[in-house]
Amino acid sequence: QQQVKQSPQSLIVQKGGISIINCAYENTAFDYFPWYQQFPGKGPALLIAIRPDVSEKKEGRFTISFNKSAKQFSLHIMDSQPGDSATYFCAAKRNFNKFYFGSGTKLNVKP
Amino acid sequence: GAGVSQSPSNKVTEKGKDVELRCDPISGHTALYWYRQSLGQGLEFLIYFQGNSAPDKSGLPSDRFSAERTGGSVSTLTIQRTQQEDSAVYLCASSPTSMLINEQFFGPGTRLTVL
Repeated sequence: QQQVKQSPQSLIVQKGGISIINCAYENTAFDYFPWYQQFPGKGPALLIAIRPDVSEKKEGRFTISFNKSAKQFSLHIMDSQPGDSATYFCAAKRNFNKFYFGSGTKLNVKP
Repeated sequence: GAGVSQSPSNKVTEKGKDVELRCDPISGHTALYWYRQSLGQGLEFLIYFQGNSAPDKSGLPSDRFSAERTGGSVSTLTIQRTQQEDSAVYLCASSPTSMLINEQFFGPGTRLTVL
């Protein structure tokens, strides 16, 4: 059973637009929800993360929206730039346990 | 400071040979993970070490795959009798795993090509 489901698989956005990537999870024991950004040839790097006691976290142009009752969380990239073109992974975990990753979203921001 | 390092960065081997991939985690990190990423695909969990606890091996795809973590630091992923389908990027990550810090730091990966 896939613990974290991510959509869409790929996304094309015009420069300046809003990119939205969605994830849904199964295990209500998860207590940490990070998003990772991966550029070609590199390992993933933490972008932003949230805990379930808040509904939103914003860091610059990146925002996580969290809906605990629906067991969903999403990444919003405001004013998307070509440099944001990368693959994005959501993940979930609970303390002292492994991470569960979504399948990834390849974002292409058109100039 | 130093991040997670992996060696070699690239490995080309012939089908049937054994390979060893090395991961040096960030000093002091108690948790270490191995993942496999096939071309253009997501992260496939392989194995997870947490301190002195027994590792979570639930992601290892076959008994040809094994991993060790010596002294709670360096880890080696061994693939025996490699097959062409083993070709992928193998990523290692480490985490301090405290109640407050969950961030996972990834290495650059080892690209394995099995001919």
